[in-house]
Amino acid sequence: SQKIEQNSEALNIQEGKTATLTCNYTNYSPAYLQWYRQDPGRGPVFLLLIRENEKEKRKERLKVTFDTTLKQSLFHITASQPADSATYLCALAGNNTDKLIFGTGTRLQVFP
Amino acid sequence: EAGVAQSPRYKIIEKRQSVAFWCNPISGHATLYWYQQILGQGPKLLIQFQNNGVVDDSQLPKDRFSAERLKGVDSTLKIQPAKLEDSAVYLCASTRQGADTGELFFGEGSRLTVL
Repeated sequence: SQKIEQNSEALNIQEGKTATLTCNYTNYSPAYLQWYRQDPGRGPVFLLLIRENEKEKRKERLKVTFDTTLKQSLFHITASQPADSATYLCALAGNNTDKLIFGTGTRLQVFP
Repeated sequence: EAGVAQSPRYKIIEKRQSVAFWCNPISGHATLYWYQQILGQGPKLLIQFQNNGVVDDSQLPKDRFSAERLKGVDSTLKIQPAKLEDSAVYLCASTRQGADTGELFFGEGSRLTVL
């Protein structure tokens, strides 16, 4: 069956360190993958999109990698800050579709 | 640019009652989505509209859920009759053409509690 798996356990890291979140998928052939941030009581907010032919994408302190062989995307936040504390969701869509399927999300807690 | 508007923000009903949620997408956005997010889980797609036509409703429980998008702008999602397991946040999102051209813009959601 098709699955999108993110670490359900919260990730706790110290301010200034790099946070790395993982998104693994099975039985999908996504044309692209997106990452969103969600704060409590709010809707998700788009962060980055990476296509299947791209290995890496960067935006300010954020970096996303996409390995279609491993069926995995990694999401990095460098020089993390307490304000980065939130739940991060990955989402993907298959070829010729814009039906976006979300993972369960990973909660990140950055402490001073 | 105004964001995606949803109402009501909160609703508490008893099981077997009905409820309706409203969404006004960003102006010019042709594609509209309704997602259900149960506490601790990721958003689950219920239905996708392109203008006023349904693109995908494969995960919509059609015996109790219905949705429409009149004139290709606003949309309503209705649940009748509600069950306890329908307690969730209902998120509306829109995008200009399709998600592969960029991001989905989400509203703040409508939190439903079924007692």
